[in-house]
Amino acid sequence: DAGVIQSPRHEVTEMGQEVTLRCKPISGHDYLFWYRQTMMRGLELLIYFNNNVPIDDSGMPEDRFSAKMPNASFSTLKIQPSEPRDSAVYFCASSLATDTQYFGPGTRLTVL
Amino acid sequence: QQQVKQSPQSLIVQKGGISIINCAYENTAFDYFPWYQQFPGKGPALLIAIRPDVSEKKEGRFTISFNKSAKQFSLHIMDSQPGDSATYFCAASKPGGSQGNLIFGKGTKLSVKP
Repeated sequence: DAGVIQSPRHEVTEMGQEVTLRCKPISGHDYLFWYRQTMMRGLELLIYFNNNVPIDDSGMPEDRFSAKMPNASFSTLKIQPSEPRDSAVYFCASSLATDTQYFGPGTRLTVL
Repeated sequence: QQQVKQSPQSLIVQKGGISIINCAYENTAFDYFPWYQQFPGKGPALLIAIRPDVSEKKEGRFTISFNKSAKQFSLHIMDSQPGDSATYFCAASKPGGSQGNLIFGKGTKLSVKP
């Protein structure tokens, strides 16, 4: 199994631009999670889906952030407009209705 | 009450020594306590996990000790090796596993010196 796949691995953009991060979960997994990791705040859960339906988005920082899961094999996290404080590593993780979450390699986002 | 407090923030251990990382929680509804290991440039990966019905779980050189009354749990790495150098995160979740989602500690950066 290829594991959780994220793209791009690195993204550098300018303030005000739209950023779209992509995730392909492990086939068959029914939960998908988006996390943000920074030195100051550690790992923060942004949103998670069950069977493609958003369950809890209370961690999404503000309206500039949105996430979708149009099907079981694809999810996006969009930031529009992006700001320098959004610079972080964004992880996608998936699980099969169990406690074990499998993380992707992350997308390192830098907003200038 | 949703927080998981982890210490120390960083740890330096000599090769062959014992590494100990501690975590504390407040929410007594938590019933699953995993430890994740993260190498630079990689995502966190599950290392070992425990439920409150046991006080200790061992997998190779890694042991979780769990103290339900104190609401604390710790990771012990015996015979620490340079390859163990990574950031370690404790976490906790409520019944339902993924449905309850994981609350992560802030992480401990472990460096094992040869």
